[in-house]
Amino acid sequence: AQTVTQSQPEMSVQEAETVTLSCTYDTSESDYYLFWYKQPPSRQMILVIRQEAYKQQNATENRFSVNFQKAAKSFSLKISDSQLGDAAMYFCAYRSETDSNYQLIWGAGTKLIIKP
Amino acid sequence: DSGVTQTPKHLITATGQRVTLRCSPRSGDLSVYWYQQSLDQGLQFLIQYYNGEERAKGNILERFSAQQFPDLHSELNLSSLELGDSALYFCASSVGSGFYNEQFFGPGTRLTVL
Repeated sequence: AQTVTQSQPEMSVQEAETVTLSCTYDTSESDYYLFWYKQPPSRQMILVIRQEAYKQQNATENRFSVNFQKAAKSFSLKISDSQLGDAAMYFCAYRSETDSNYQLIWGAGTKLIIKP
Repeated sequence: DSGVTQTPKHLITATGQRVTLRCSPRSGDLSVYWYQQSLDQGLQFLIQYYNGEERAKGNILERFSAQQFPDLHSELNLSSLELGDSALYFCASSVGSGFYNEQFFGPGTRLTVL
């Protein structure tokens, strides 16, 4: 069974600096999708970025980018120029392309604190 | 605002009771997903419906059931409630049936079982 691990329960960064959140996963599949979701204090879940495993190019969305290392099964999220509004729980999630159950497997989350 | 609505926002009930959580997906979305998030934990996928049919099942207890109606709104029924069922229950919707489709989350229903 696939698993997703976020080894950093909490991270803090100075405003305007860069921070990287780690995510590793375990799978025997070659085709899958990976996601980062953000959950601010409002508890709303917001999709930040997604990556298809077959794509070698790392996904980027404005200040958010990923470092996808397929062989190492690593999917880290880099937030550049951190802003106070980035403070939230960040969840990494995995979805199988081949499993007809289409489940999203979630990590435990990393709490990101932004210091003004 | 994601366009997904959930009612009620908060629900307080006693052990052994039954409650119904309601979700209305974004206009045009055919899939509805239900998730449970216990305190300080990640999300647990419960169940997915696509256009009225059950599409995928996760870690949903037998005491829980769901359905999606012809107007595409969905209800999650929780019965014989236990203290451990206290959690935030999210509904999400997407256009298609695959999980690749971006899921838009509702604001959640906070259930407290006393």
